[in-house]
Amino acid sequence: GENVEQHPSTLSVQEGDSAVIKCTYSDSASNYFPWYKQELGKRPQLIIDIRSNVGEKKDQRIAVTLNKTAKHFSLHITETQPEDSAVYFCAASIPYNFNKFYFGSGTKLNVKP
Amino acid sequence: SAVISQKPSRDICQRGTSLTIQCQVDSQVTMMFWYRQQPGQSLTLIATANQGSEATYESGFVIDKFPISRPNLTFSTLTVSNMSPEDSSIYLCSVAGTAIVDTQYFGPGTRLTVL
Repeated sequence: GENVEQHPSTLSVQEGDSAVIKCTYSDSASNYFPWYKQELGKRPQLIIDIRSNVGEKKDQRIAVTLNKTAKHFSLHITETQPEDSAVYFCAASIPYNFNKFYFGSGTKLNVKP
Repeated sequence: SAVISQKPSRDICQRGTSLTIQCQVDSQVTMMFWYRQQPGQSLTLIATANQGSEATYESGFVIDKFPISRPNLTFSTLTVSNMSPEDSSIYLCSVAGTAIVDTQYFGPGTRLTVL
């Protein structure tokens, strides 16, 4: 099955700086890559996603890039704010596996004011 | 996206007992899943709830311990049977609109503590 690795496990940045979280996947058949944000005590919320026919997607301060050759994808948050502090999870999905998501281990982002 | 609710939101149970968690969606969805999230950990898929047939379990999870029902396209239950303290965790359901690759949306979760 698919194996998703996520780095770093913790990330601390100063407010206004950028944050980058990286994930690698093992199965070249994976074609959908969502990112979830989970605040303490809350459910995971989808913040951005990318499909394998696209190399980059941006939504305001958040962007995701995908390198299919290297089998890695990254989440970029610019101009970080304290409310960006949360745990972020990447995931990969394989089309023949009926929507099963394979999650990374998570990154705890701390944005210091 | 769909509105997803779970009941109960939290519970404290005695070892050896069972708890049934309900997941309700406000619209019909194709796929429903059950996850476990232990403190400080990632999301682990327990099973895919199939409407009208037996659930599909992931490695390490068995039907006797985690029986799942899905009587229709908007509702599913997960039972945690014969509980032990190791079952203390957050249990989340998620839904997706199609059987093809599609976004999953999560319910609010059920925080279970087993004494």
